[in-house]
Amino acid sequence: EAGVAQSPRYKIIEKRQSVAFWCNPISGHATLYWYQQILGQGPKLLIQFQNNGVVDDSQLPKDRFSAERLKGVDSTLKIQPAKLEDSAVYLCASSLVGRRRNTEAFFGQGTRLTVV
Amino acid sequence: SQQGEEDPQALSIQEGENATMNCSYKTSINNLQWYRQNSGRGLVHLILIRSNEREKHSGRLRVTLDTSKKSSSLLITASRAADTASYFCATAPGQAGTALIFGKGTTLSVSS
Repeated sequence: EAGVAQSPRYKIIEKRQSVAFWCNPISGHATLYWYQQILGQGPKLLIQFQNNGVVDDSQLPKDRFSAERLKGVDSTLKIQPAKLEDSAVYLCASSLVGRRRNTEAFFGQGTRLTVV
Repeated sequence: SQQGEEDPQALSIQEGENATMNCSYKTSINNLQWYRQNSGRGLVHLILIRSNEREKHSGRLRVTLDTSKKSSSLLITASRAADTASYFCATAPGQAGTALIFGKGTTLSVSS
């Protein structure tokens, strides 16, 4: 089966510019996550969707980050305006997890963002 | 916030040796999972152990879970150079459906 697809793989922008990342989860996976991974650290959850509804966005810096999952499939994550500290790898993951149990998450290759 | 803390932060061994990584966490869990991340790549799921399980095996991997101590260990036997990667434990909090919380990871280097 096809894995989680993300684009672009790499992006370099100047601070205060905007950027958008795209994710296509595994077909049939109702749950989609966006994680931020700063160099040398573990992934940190930004937002979790269940179908097209937000389950958890408590750690999303909402003054500059936004995410949507139209029609419960693809998702986009946007940063506007970007700051230097946003330099990180942005990972999208999907899973079959529902309200009753937790299962493994499948990750995309990530988008490496560099803000200069 | 990051719940899991892996120990050690870095581990260097020779091919054929065993590698043991530990993970401690803070709150109750539904299950605990281990992931591998090769340099510049996404994370790959290795193994999942549920809160009512104490030990689980998968190929050369052995995972233990001690919920009373809130800790887990991952043992990789007969390591290979291809096992060189970062390893993360991820906890699924007690409430089903909640996202995984990752630790900072252990960087394993296996030399031939």
